[in-house]
Amino acid sequence: KQEVTQIPAALSVPEGENLVLNCSFTDSAIYNLQWFRQDPGKGLTSLLLIQSSQREQTSGRLNASLDKSSGRSTLYIAASQPGDSATYLCAYISSGSARQLTFGSGTQLTVLP
Amino acid sequence: DGGITQSPKYLFRKEGQNVTLSCEQNLNHDAMYWYRQDPGQGLRLIYYSQIVNDFQKGDIAEGYSVSREKKESFPLTVTSAQKNPTAFYLCASSIGTGRANYGYTFGSGTRLTVV
Repeated sequence: KQEVTQIPAALSVPEGENLVLNCSFTDSAIYNLQWFRQDPGKGLTSLLLIQSSQREQTSGRLNASLDKSSGRSTLYIAASQPGDSATYLCAYISSGSARQLTFGSGTQLTVLP
Repeated sequence: DGGITQSPKYLFRKEGQNVTLSCEQNLNHDAMYWYRQDPGQGLRLIYYSQIVNDFQKGDIAEGYSVSREKKESFPLTVTSAQKNPTAFYLCASSIGTGRANYGYTFGSGTRLTVV
């Protein structure tokens, strides 16, 4: 069974720090990779989508990279703010016809004011 | 604004009762999905549909049923056969599978509790 691992499971940082969240996957035949944010009791908000032909995507203070050959993706958050506190989920979209999404278990981020 | 609407936000089910969760999208997406989220277990795929009048079982389909009569709608029924239905249910949609920018959009979820 293909898996997605996110490290660390939880992270607490002071406001203003730059931080990196890690995601590794075993399936080499991924189509795209997507990073989501989930606030407690809420749905998932898409942050960045990296297509298989791309190596990174940027949106504001967020930058996500993808290295298919090593099975890794990172989400870089610059100048963290308390409003960034949430669970961050990494998921890859398979290359199979169904284009199914396989999720990691997430990194719970707390940014302290 | 385009998006996915899930209703109700909270739902309570009595033992032996069937309940239906609504999911509507106005994104003109072809594919729709239902996921279940339990604490500490991540998201698991229940059912998905890539086109109207067609749907496929996911990893945990037992005790659930779906229909896809319209492109915009993908309701999920939790039947009495589902022995542990208390969970957070998320509906998602995505653009056609042939598109390079294939990504998922999620709704805000329905929290189902057995009483």
